Amino acid sequence: AQSVAQPEDQVNVAEGNPLTVKCTYSVSGNPYLFWYVQYPNRGLQFLLKYITGDNLVKGSYGFEAEFNKSQTSFHLKKPSALVSDSALYFCAVRDGGGNKLVFGAGTILRVKS
Amino acid sequence: NAGVTQTPKFRVLKTGQSMTLLCAQDMNHEYMYWYRQDPGMGLRLIHYSVGEGTTAKGEVPDGYNVSRLKKQNFLLGLESAAPSQTSVYFCASSRGYQETQYFGPGTRLLVL
Repeated sequence: AQSVAQPEDQVNVAEGNPLTVKCTYSVSGNPYLFWYVQYPNRGLQFLLKYITGDNLVKGSYGFEAEFNKSQTSFHLKKPSALVSDSALYFCAVRDGGGNKLVFGAGTILRVKS
Repeated sequence: NAGVTQTPKFRVLKTGQSMTLLCAQDMNHEYMYWYRQDPGMGLRLIHYSVGEGTTAKGEVPDGYNVSRLKKQNFLLGLESAAPSQTSVYFCASSRGYQETQYFGPGTRLLVL
């Protein structure tokens, strides 16, 4: 069965600094990996996904993520954080042949000015 | 397009009461999903549907039933609500199982 781990409950970063939100995964087949963001009292919004191809995936709002097969990781990154990036971030994985998306527990990102 | 909508936005139930949560999507998506979100546990899949007239169990289906009589609607029912079902419920839809899921705004349910 697939699983996702987000090892940090919260990440704090100063505005303008680079940010990284970590995600590791476990699947039996080829992974389909996603990042979603949730703002307070809102639904989840899609940021980016990796299905196949280039290991560096670019997404919405200047975010990108790097797929590392050997380390089974899919960390979310942004070169310069904004206060408006403060939100709850979820990593999710689907086994290549499966119907179901499994979510991590989420990481709170706080960007301070 | 409204995308994915959910009704109601908030509801308080007493233990033992029943209710139905409605999810509607206007994107002509085949797949629809119901999740619950609890603090520190991420989202967990309750039930899902791969097309009109079909439903399947997810990770935490006990105490819930679903129906997909129309392609655009996916209903989640609680026949006898329990305090453990206090949660935020999200509906999502996707074009196919490999495609991006799009989420509704959520329904906050409090069971007393």
